[in-house]
Formats: sequence, C-alpha cells, structure tokens
Amino acid sequence: AQTVTQSQPEMSVQEAETVTLSCTYDTSESDYYLFWYKQPPSRQMILVIRQEAYKQQNATENRFSVNFQKAAKSFSLKISDSQLGDAAMYFCAYRGLNSGNTPLVFGKGTRLSVIA
Amino acid sequence: KAGVTQTPRYLIKTRGQQVTLSCSPISGHRSVSWYQQTPGQGLQFLFEYFSETQRNKGNFPGRFSGRQFSNSRSEMNVSTLELGDSALYLCASRSTSGPLETQYFGPGTRLLVL
Repeated sequence: AQTVTQSQPEMSVQEAETVTLSCTYDTSESDYYLFWYKQPPSRQMILVIRQEAYKQQNATENRFSVNFQKAAKSFSLKISDSQLGDAAMYFCAYRGLNSGNTPLVFGKGTRLSVIA
Repeated sequence: KAGVTQTPRYLIKTRGQQVTLSCSPISGHRSVSWYQQTPGQGLQFLFEYFSETQRNKGNFPGRFSGRQFSNSRSEMNVSTLELGDSALYLCASRSTSGPLETQYFGPGTRLLVL
C-alpha cells in the first residue's frame, strides 16, 4: 500500500521569509500524481499545487513551488515570501494511476505558523 | 463555477442515532469522494462514487454507506452512531476527463456524537 510521510508536525517561518515543507512517499507505481493541499482554520481543503510524476519539471504556482525527486520519492513544498495568510495545515497527498480508480492518500500534515 | 457544497455544516447527534450528510459537486464533475478527518487518524478515505456507482471503498464498517444520484449529488449515511464517529467529513469532486484529475474539496460537515 502506498504511504505518505510528513516528518515535520510543526514548522514556523518569519513573514516574508522562505520555508520548505517535506514529504516522502512510498509506492511501486510508475504513474501517479502528487498534491499539496492547504487547510486553514476554516477547515476548507484548498489545492496549492500538483505534480504529475511523468513530468521532470517542478511545478510552480506563484509563491509556491515543489522540489520533486522521483528516484528519492520526495516531494517538498517551498513557500517564498511567506504571508500571514499562509498559516495553515499543509497536507501532502498521493494518487496512483496504475491500479485503476485509487483514492488520495494523505500524509499526517504539517502545521505552519507565520510570525509577523 | 460554484465550488463543492456540503450540508449541513455542523451536526450534533447522540449515540445510536443515524445521520445523513449531503454533497453537491462542482458542475460537470461526476466523481464524488468522501473522507473522514480526525485528529488521531488524519484523513481517511471512505468511498468514491461515479455515475451513481460505488467505484472504491475504504476500510470502514458497514454502518457507513453512501449513494449518488443522477445529478451527481451524493449522500453518505452513518447508522448507529458511535462516539468515535465524531469527525470532519469532507466531500471532494473530481473531473474524470483531461490530464489533471484533481479533487476539489467542500467545506466539510463537522459531526459531533454525544
């Protein structure tokens, strides 16, 4: 079974600084998607960024970018110029494509605090 | 497009009762998935429906059931509620066409079982 591990339960960053959240996953599949979701105190899960495994180029979305290392099964999220609104739980998620209709598998999450 | 909507947003029930939660997906999305989120277990997959058929089911007891209607709206039902069923229940819809099959989540229904 696929697993997703987020080894940092909590992180903090100064406003305007850069922070990197770690995620590793375990899979034997060759085709899959990886996602980072943000869950603010409102509890609404918001998609931050996604990466297709077949793409070597790292995905970017404005201040958010990933470092995707397929061989190492690592998928870290970098947040640049951190803002107070970035404070939230961040979940890394995996969805395999080789075995049909598989659900998202989530990590336990990293709570990010942004210090003014 | 309007996002995924879930009703009700908050619910308080007592042990032994049953509950039905509703989810309306993004227009055009035919896949609806349900997840349970608790502090201890994190986010766990319950089931996925597509075109009124259950396509996948997580490791939950038979007290948890769901269905999907012809307009893609979905309901999940929990019978004989237990204290451990207290959780945030998240619904997500997904477009099954195109290269980026991304799930978009609703705001959740927070269930408290007393």
